[in-house]
Amino acid sequence: GENVEQHPSTLSVQEGDSAVIKCTYSDSASNYFPWYKQELGKGPQLIIDIRSNVGEKKDQRIAVTLNKTAKHFSLHITETQPEDSAVYFCAASDENTGFQKLVFGTGTRLLVSP
Amino acid sequence: DAGVTQSPTHLIKTRGQQVTLRCSPKSGHDTVSWYQQALGQGPQFIFQYYEEEERQRGNFPDRFSGHQFPNYSSELNVNALLLGDSALYLCASSLISQTYGYTFGSGTRLTVV
Repeated sequence: GENVEQHPSTLSVQEGDSAVIKCTYSDSASNYFPWYKQELGKGPQLIIDIRSNVGEKKDQRIAVTLNKTAKHFSLHITETQPEDSAVYFCAASDENTGFQKLVFGTGTRLLVSP
Repeated sequence: DAGVTQSPTHLIKTRGQQVTLRCSPKSGHDTVSWYQQALGQGPQFIFQYYEEEERQRGNFPDRFSGHQFPNYSSELNVNALLLGDSALYLCASSLISQTYGYTFGSGTRLTVV
């Protein structure tokens, strides 16, 4: 089955710096890669996603890149703000199965210091 | 528009007991998935329900069972609780016609003592 590895487990940056979180997946059939932000006491919230027919996607300060050959995908946050502090999860799935099952990474705790 | 509602928010159970967790999906959604999130880990897929049937199941024992009602709400039941069942249980709803559009609830924190 699919396995998703995520690094780093913790990331501390200064406000205004950029943050990069990296994930690798094992199943070449995976074709959908969402990123979730989880704040304390809340459920995961989708912040951006990418499908395997696209190499990069941007949404304001957030971008995701995908390298299908290497089975890598990354989340980039620019101009970080204290409110970006949270746990971020990457996930992968195969949309062709018709099932909506996500396999998550182990999470990255991002701390943005003022 | 209410999102996904889960109840209770917290509960404490004793080993060997049984527990039922409840989920009301986002308005308009017809599919409910359940995930287990152990402390410091990513969510793990338990199972998914659509049209009151279990569509797919993750690597969880039969002690974990579920149900979906005609109004699309769902229950997760866990029997013979183990200490290792302590976790945050997340419900996510979506539309079967849209491959992905998961909306997660805030979860139920289960502690087994």
